[in-house]
This record gives sequence, structure tokens and C-alpha cells, in this order.
Amino acid sequence: DIQMTQSPSTLSASIGDRVTITCRASQSISNWLTWYQQKPGKAPKLLIYKASNLGSGVPSRFSGSGSGTEFTLTISSLQPDDSATYYCQQYNIYRTFGQGTKVEIK
Amino acid sequence: QVQLRESGPGLVKPSETLSLTCTVSGASINNYYWSWIRQPPGKGLEWIGFMYYSANANYNPSLKNRVTISIDTSKNQFSLRLSSVTAADTAVYYCARDSGDCSSLNCHSNDYYYGMDVWGQGTTVTVSS
Repeated sequence: DIQMTQSPSTLSASIGDRVTITCRASQSISNWLTWYQQKPGKAPKLLIYKASNLGSGVPSRFSGSGSGTEFTLTISSLQPDDSATYYCQQYNIYRTFGQGTKVEIK
Repeated sequence: QVQLRESGPGLVKPSETLSLTCTVSGASINNYYWSWIRQPPGKGLEWIGFMYYSANANYNPSLKNRVTISIDTSKNQFSLRLSSVTAADTAVYYCARDSGDCSSLNCHSNDYYYGMDVWGQGTTVTVSS
């Protein structure tokens, strides 16, 4: 099984800050990685696929990078609407989600 | 506009079988892969399995012995059955579209995978006697 580990588990940042979330795979997954945003009581929303491709309608302040075993999701300028939990998900072999990173606004 | 809607009992007794259905509107179920995902209260997302209508389903190894996913093309629905449930199976269960359009590209290749782009609203299932 491929394990996905995100860090940090929680982060608190101010409006306008640059925020980075890391996702590590237990083995190489090339660039077969997606990122999702989930708000309380809602279904997840696709942000990024193939590690760095922006999903439809996703604001350009979101970006993704990485390949192999280490990946990052960056929010270039944190907005109030970005308060949520973010998940990475590999699709190299089946699907596995990371445990999530909760982003809070200071 | 593609929409997914989960339906099924909200309460299941321990040791019994959980059964849920996802109804797809706005897209042909024959043209995509479809996944089930769950989220225990206060916890993260767990992928359960996916299926394409003309292929065998693939399951999370940790659930493989208890899970069955099936597709009913005549009703444009896919279903989840999880047997021998315990309290640990209490969760919000989501269905999601899990591939690109197989009618226009090689959706079986990761090169043409665009993520789980459409989700149902989720349905809460509680396992309790």
C-alpha cells in the first residue's frame, strides 16, 4: 500500500500570507497526485490534478508542485475563504488520501 | 450539469450489511470510473473502491474482504455493499466521479486522470444497535 503523509496537521496564518502544505508518499508516485479542499459539512472540492494542474474554476492563488515522493500545495496569498482542510491523494496505485491539513485564519 | 446523490439507510445494526446507492444524472455511467469514499466523524477521507462498468471493481486492501461495488447501467446508478459492519464503519459516505470521459479519451491511463471532480453531498451512516 502507498501511504501519504501530510505536514503540518494544522496551521494558522494571516490573511495575505503565503501558505505551504507538504505531502509525502511512501514510494514514488511520479506526478500522480491531486489536492482537495474540504469545508465543514461539505464534500471535498478538487483543486489540483497531476501534481501541478489547476482544476476548473480554481483561483490562481493555488498552485501545486513536486514529483516522486514529495509534493507541495501553496496558497500564494491566503484569503478568508481558504479556511478549510486540505487533502492530497495519490492515484499511482488505486487511491490513497493523506490525513489532511487544517488551515486556520489568525 | 453532472450531479450525484447518495441514498440508503442512515442506521445499520452491527454485523449487518451496509447498502448505499449513488444515482448519477447529467452523465452516462458507462463513460467514467466511479468511487466510494468515506469519512468517519472528525477524521480524514478514506477511499473505499472504484469501478468502471465493463471491468472488475478495485478496492482498498483494508476493506477488500467486506466490500462490493456494482453498477446498474439501466438505472445509471452504482452501489456499495459493506458487510459485517461495526461502529468503526460509522461515517459520512460519498460517491464521486473518478476519471475523465472514457468516451473521448483513454481514461484508463493516469495521463488522462483529472481527479475526483464531481461529488455527492454525502450521506451519514451510523452503525448502532
